[in-house]
Amino acid sequence: SAVISQKPSRDICQRGTSLTIQCQVDSQVTMMFWYRQQPGQSLTLIATANQGSEATYESGFVIDKFPISRPNLTFSTLTVSNMSPEDSSIYLCSVREPALSYEQYFGPGTRLTVT
Amino acid sequence: GENVEQHPSTLSVQEGDSAVIKCTYSDSASNYFPWYKQELGKRPQLIIDIRSNVGEKKDQRIAVTLNKTAKHFSLHITETQPEDSAVYFCAASITPGRSSASKIIFGSGTRLSIRP
Repeated sequence: SAVISQKPSRDICQRGTSLTIQCQVDSQVTMMFWYRQQPGQSLTLIATANQGSEATYESGFVIDKFPISRPNLTFSTLTVSNMSPEDSSIYLCSVREPALSYEQYFGPGTRLTVT
Repeated sequence: GENVEQHPSTLSVQEGDSAVIKCTYSDSASNYFPWYKQELGKRPQLIIDIRSNVGEKKDQRIAVTLNKTAKHFSLHITETQPEDSAVYFCAASITPGRSSASKIIFGSGTRLSIRP
């Protein structure tokens, strides 16, 4: 399966600021996703990152708060904007590989703490 | 949209005994059901999956069963070992390629503890 890396692995940020999380894959993948996992909770899909077009957001998530870029088939970024303590969570990118398969794999996650 | 319910939320079993985790899904169009294991501080790892054209799948000590009519599926772990202690998530997905429905939705998770 593809090797997925994320930067940063963790960060502590002040409320009102923004953080951009990077996801890098070692091979070209068509489907990339961003999930949030709050402490002790399940994984919630934020959006599907579409290459060359705007991301598709799930109910409860908006582009102004979580802008996503997908400039090519190996890279995506998620920005958490105007952060509040409620945004403290682990953010994970995920890829489906190969494109028309079912299997989905996760990056190591970015642990965000907002103070 | 799809909704996945998972039970129990916590499960403690004696080492060597079996563990069973159950999930139900709402969207009858769902046809792919993966299970993930997440150890503390680590990423979710795909451990086994089943497609809707199959009723049961086994891989060594773990097995999954699917009842499409009842819309539920289960994970079975036999001869449990300490390293099986983790949080397990079930999930459901509609076939890739079916436009915006092509995504995996997760259950709430089961924290499995193996007692020595």
